[in-house]
Amino acid sequence: SQELEQSPQSLIVQEGKNLTINCTSSKTLYGLYWYKQKYGEGLIFLMMLQKGGEEKSHEKITAKLDEKKQQSSLHITASQPSHAGIYLCGADLNDYKLSFGAGTTVTVRA
Amino acid sequence: DTAVSQTPKYLVTQMGNDKSIKCEQNLGHDTMYWYKQDSKKFLKIMFSYNNKELIINETVPNRFSPKSPDKAHLNLHINSLELGDSAVYFCASSQGHRDSYFGPGTRLTVT
Repeated sequence: SQELEQSPQSLIVQEGKNLTINCTSSKTLYGLYWYKQKYGEGLIFLMMLQKGGEEKSHEKITAKLDEKKQQSSLHITASQPSHAGIYLCGADLNDYKLSFGAGTTVTVRA
Repeated sequence: DTAVSQTPKYLVTQMGNDKSIKCEQNLGHDTMYWYKQDSKKFLKIMFSYNNKELIINETVPNRFSPKSPDKAHLNLHINSLELGDSAVYFCASSQGHRDSYFGPGTRLTVT
């Protein structure tokens, strides 16, 4: 979607290192959803953010929504092989449906 | 060129009717999905279809049936539509462990 840019497209990290994925919109984000794709099973919901400045964490994954509500980041601390996969952001741009980023492929090397 | 297309984009129909939503992908992908976007805009997987193998989500009513005439198409048939079926339905496709490409969504309204 041109309304939503996700970066980087792919990244490779050494096990134990941190990584960050960004999702940026030119419009206000009324909600930002982070998903992880599991092959053949579809998207697995990770976190949802709605308020400017909001931050949520689950295990070693932290997601933030900036104060202006136009950018979100997903941060993984001390990455593990289980963190490998495709991460997708979905945005509520005050439309009836979500808009999606292009996805980020994460590879974790031992 | 549209990678994943869905028709129709909007569908308004009455309770009890049977309707279909079509999905086509021209990416040569081997896996296709149907998702339902709920009222809070969470995506919920309904079906995935990989090389003629259908994986069904057990929470989906059997009034919903996916049909795949070929690898590039995965249509969604809904029988005896109910008010609660009103939602946005997304089709998506992927190849192996690669990104999913989403269709534009179909907004279904049941009156």
